[in-house]
Amino acid sequence: QSVLTQPPSASGTPGQRVTISCSGSSSNIGSNYVYWYQQLPGTAPKLLIYRNNQRPSGVPDRFSGSKSGTSASLAISGLRSEDEADYYCAAWDDSLSVVVFGGGTKLTVL
Amino acid sequence: EVQLVESGGGLVQPGGSLRLSCAASGFTFSSYAMHWVRQAPGKGLEYVSAISSNGGSTYYANSVKGRFTISRDNSKNTLYLQMGSLRAEDMAVYYCAREWELDYWGQGTLVTVSS
Repeated sequence: QSVLTQPPSASGTPGQRVTISCSGSSSNIGSNYVYWYQQLPGTAPKLLIYRNNQRPSGVPDRFSGSKSGTSASLAISGLRSEDEADYYCAAWDDSLSVVVFGGGTKLTVL
Repeated sequence: EVQLVESGGGLVQPGGSLRLSCAASGFTFSSYAMHWVRQAPGKGLEYVSAISSNGGSTYYANSVKGRFTISRDNSKNTLYLQMGSLRAEDMAVYYCAREWELDYWGQGTLVTVSS
């Protein structure tokens, strides 16, 4: 059971906009930055969004992050086949003193 | 170019020990906190441990506390994870990652715990 809660799956057609949610608590999302990672099949995770809504260099602006209270979301617009991957949210947890992850969301591009 | 290369994984019997290494290059290793994150086969990411840039502070998931020890050698640009009392549930790909934002990850090393 993950500390952060994500839907196990999401899907969309090319060109669509999809959103993945991430729910936590006051000790993690509520008081710390949220991060999103993309894991393509057979590869290591890659940082996609940092500090709630910042994109590392090289990440397309089709990817955006937001946070409100104890929840966060990742939005992907103009969906492309290469976006098919697992997406994880993460945040530092003040009570556990570790980074906590969501269970991951498998995105399928139909 | 930032590179993180894990090594040391392999097959170990339940109750056994293993030491993982993560060789870093392309950045000033001593300036960054470092982390270990694992992923069991077909499962999600699980945080394991972290160490501050100078090694003065360490953090552990409850699932490994008392069994695993994280350390670093800044003179060798290398991060370590000493794993003991290994259990079947420790079987996973172990990744090292840089900084509190986990901005760069290695390719991972597989640890198999089986008799």
